[in-house]
Amino acid sequence: DQQVKQNSPSLSVQEGRISILNCDYTNSMFDYFLWYKKYPAEGPTFLISISSIKDKNEDGRFTVFLNKSAKHLSLHIVPSQPGDSAVYFCAASGNGNKLVFGAGTILRVKS
Amino acid sequence: DTGVSQDPRHKITKRGQNVTFRCDPISEHNRLYWYRQTLGQGPEFLTYFQNEAQLEKSRLLSDRFSAERPKGSFSTLEIQRTEQGDSAMYLCASSFNTGELFFGEGSRLTVL
Repeated sequence: DQQVKQNSPSLSVQEGRISILNCDYTNSMFDYFLWYKKYPAEGPTFLISISSIKDKNEDGRFTVFLNKSAKHLSLHIVPSQPGDSAVYFCAASGNGNKLVFGAGTILRVKS
Repeated sequence: DTGVSQDPRHKITKRGQNVTFRCDPISEHNRLYWYRQTLGQGPEFLTYFQNEAQLEKSRLLSDRFSAERPKGSFSTLEIQRTEQGDSAMYLCASSFNTGELFFGEGSRLTVL
């Protein structure tokens, strides 16, 4: 039962353009959502989060949007840089419990 | 370095052997998590501790797997009678209460 889904296995974007990574969830009890970035041979690193009381959170080039009615969130990276090339995981939790992760999206930013 | 550290980084073992992984969390973090990741998948929850208490175990965690956090600091994850299907990256993470998780670099297990 995949409660968090990232339906795009990969995304390729030109440097300087916007990258949009999408995530859908099924569990209506989720109230906290996070994005992690992972480089090869390293553990995931926290990028940005959003609680269910908000619909947008911004941190520099990264913005996360949450649409609760659609059970959908997205991560926007603008402008995209070659160093952003990595695997991006969407994660969610409810009531402070464990994080449930999606399968990840490989982002390639071409220079 | 005050991040989460895991040891060993890579373990190669023969099927049927026992292996143990160690995780040292960030010192002020009271929660410690173990996840497993296989190729093309996201991290999959195994178990977590709040201080020394093991609060939740995944149904995926067979009785060959055991985790401990004896003094609420470091944790060990032991896999007995390893099988080829246990080959994966074992990730440890820590957090302060329900904040974001900070992950270590992982311990890669290869079972031959």
